[in-house]
Amino acid sequence: AQSVTQLGSHVSVSEGALVLLRCNYSSSVPPYLFWYVQYPNQGLQLLLKYTTGATLVKGINGFEAEFKKSETSFHLTKPSAHMSDAAEYFCAVSERGGTASKLTFGTGTRLQVTL
Amino acid sequence: DAMVIQNPRYQVTQFGKPVTLSCSQTLNHNVMYWYQQKSSQAPKLLFHYYDKDFNNEADTPDNFQSRRPNTSFCFLDIRSPGLGDAAMYLCATSREGVGAGYGYTFGSGTRLTVV
Repeated sequence: AQSVTQLGSHVSVSEGALVLLRCNYSSSVPPYLFWYVQYPNQGLQLLLKYTTGATLVKGINGFEAEFKKSETSFHLTKPSAHMSDAAEYFCAVSERGGTASKLTFGTGTRLQVTL
Repeated sequence: DAMVIQNPRYQVTQFGKPVTLSCSQTLNHNVMYWYQQKSSQAPKLLFHYYDKDFNNEADTPDNFQSRRPNTSFCFLDIRSPGLGDAAMYLCATSREGVGAGYGYTFGSGTRLTVV
């Protein structure tokens, strides 16, 4: 069974500082990997995904993530945090292939951005 | 704009009184999912439809049922809500399922309160 672990349930950064949110997965074969953002009382919005090809993936709002197979990681980064980045971030994983595949989410990391 | 719409955004129901949450999509996606998200937790998949094929998660309580009368609409029925069913309910769609590398498109969610 696949699983995903997000290290740090809360991360606090200063505005303008680097954002690093960690995600490690467990899977027998490289899965598809996703990052979602959730603002209060909203649904989840796709930030970026890795399926195949280039291991450095660029997403919306200046975020990017790098798939590292050797480390089974898919950490999310942004060079300079903005106040509007404050939200909950979820890493998710799915199997490749099959109509029954589903997303399995990590427990989330709440990002706080301070002045 | 093509989107996933959940109604209502907020629902208050009485303990034991049946309640229905609705989801509609204009994306013409094959797959529709229902997730339950409790406070500060990861979304948990309840069930999903691939076209008309219903797929129930093994640990979804019998109290939860779903209907998909056509491609555009999907309903979540809670037959006898308990206090523990208070949560955000998220509807999501996917074009061919995440196994094909597609992410989900989420609705804004319905926050259910049980009194």
